[in-house]
Amino acid sequence: GDSVTQMEGPVTLSEEAFLTINCTYTATGYPSLFWYVQYPGEGLQLLLKATKADDKGSNKGFEATYRKETTSFHLEKGSVQVSDSAVYFCALINTGNQFYFGTGTSLTVIP
Amino acid sequence: EPEVTQTPSHQVTQMGQEVILRCVPISNHLYFYWYRQILGQKVEFLVSFYNNEISEKSEIFDDQFSVERPDGSNFTLKIRSTKLEDSAMYFCASSLTQNNSPLHFGNGTRLTVT
Repeated sequence: GDSVTQMEGPVTLSEEAFLTINCTYTATGYPSLFWYVQYPGEGLQLLLKATKADDKGSNKGFEATYRKETTSFHLEKGSVQVSDSAVYFCALINTGNQFYFGTGTSLTVIP
Repeated sequence: EPEVTQTPSHQVTQMGQEVILRCVPISNHLYFYWYRQILGQKVEFLVSFYNNEISEKSEIFDDQFSVERPDGSNFTLKIRSTKLEDSAMYFCASSLTQNNSPLHFGNGTRLTVT
């Protein structure tokens, strides 16, 4: 069945460091891919998405490129801030209307 | 920006009691969902709801669970007789369309069963 695997955390970075959170997926057909972010005490918020191969989703300095050849959708940011501290979830939706989420990666950015 | 709102933010209940978790989806959205997240684990799909009926449910969503849209705005999840393992964060979500449409989540209800 469809599934998402993302790198385990927690991840701790210094401010202005480069961030990569790996995400790979298993799915038949052509899923759409998403990154959601969960700030402390809040719900899941859509961060970015890509709906077809080679699409790049971007938002708030974060980017992820839909790579069909490697079935990956890694999240990157060139310079993280303390305010980026949150839990990041990779997700996919395929045919039908069910989202599949990864386990989440906790990021802490220290000043 | 329109939001999905959930109440209460935290619910504590005793094992065997019934709980109702409430959600107000975004007003023009047509598809409604419940997900849950047990502490430290994946966000898991429970059920989707469209046109006043369940369109899909997971194996977690057994006879203890039910959903309802009692009026034009609320979407509720009822757990008939809570168990300790029902303790989790429950997220409501809604989307405008079905395929490839992002979900908009509420802030969640933390359910603690003692």
